[in-house]
Amino acid sequence: KQEVTQIPAALSVPEGENLVLNCSFTDSAIYNLQWFRQDPGKGLTSLLLIQSSQREQTSGRLNASLDKSSGRSTLYIAASQPGDSATYLCAVVYQAGTALIFGKGTTLSVSS
Amino acid sequence: GAVVSQHPSWVICKSGTSVKIECRSLDFQATTMFWYRQFPKQSLMLMATSNEGSKATYEQGVEKDKFLINHASLTLSTLTVTSAHPEDSSFYICSARSRGGGVDTEAFFGQGTRLTVV
Repeated sequence: KQEVTQIPAALSVPEGENLVLNCSFTDSAIYNLQWFRQDPGKGLTSLLLIQSSQREQTSGRLNASLDKSSGRSTLYIAASQPGDSATYLCAVVYQAGTALIFGKGTTLSVSS
Repeated sequence: GAVVSQHPSWVICKSGTSVKIECRSLDFQATTMFWYRQFPKQSLMLMATSNEGSKATYEQGVEKDKFLINHASLTLSTLTVTSAHPEDSSFYICSARSRGGGVDTEAFFGQGTRLTVV
């Protein structure tokens, strides 16, 4: 069964810290991987998309890496801010045209 | 990024009635749309995949006669929850994606619809 796991489930850090969110997937033959942010009661905001041929993507303070061989992706957030508080979801597409399979997310709380 | 508009953002309905949720891609043509359901503190669970002009493909355990999906155009998909019951109360989110250069683009999501059946 194709599963996506995110660790930790929750994380609390003081403002300014650099942090890493982890995502692992059981089948390494992925098509692409996408990181999202979800605020409480809201929809999803796409953060970064990594195609299977890529190793990493960067956007501002966010950097996502992909290691297909080990079935892992990490989302690195630099200099965290209270506004970064949200749930971060990792999702994998295994075949073109198919749906994303989501992990359960990491809920991040950044205190000022 | 591309915009996906989902309407309504919340709805309260009586048990036994039907509710329609719309999902529109505002600035791109969505070759494929997906419908997800999310329970509190849980991740998104795929309900069905719909391609424009064809019947939706439902995930195992999702009743196709209860959750009617229509994808009549490249910019609009609708989910109708028929004869809603309290256990159908949930957060429903749609997603849209297109293809460019033979590659799937990133998926964009609507704002979600909070359905409460009383």
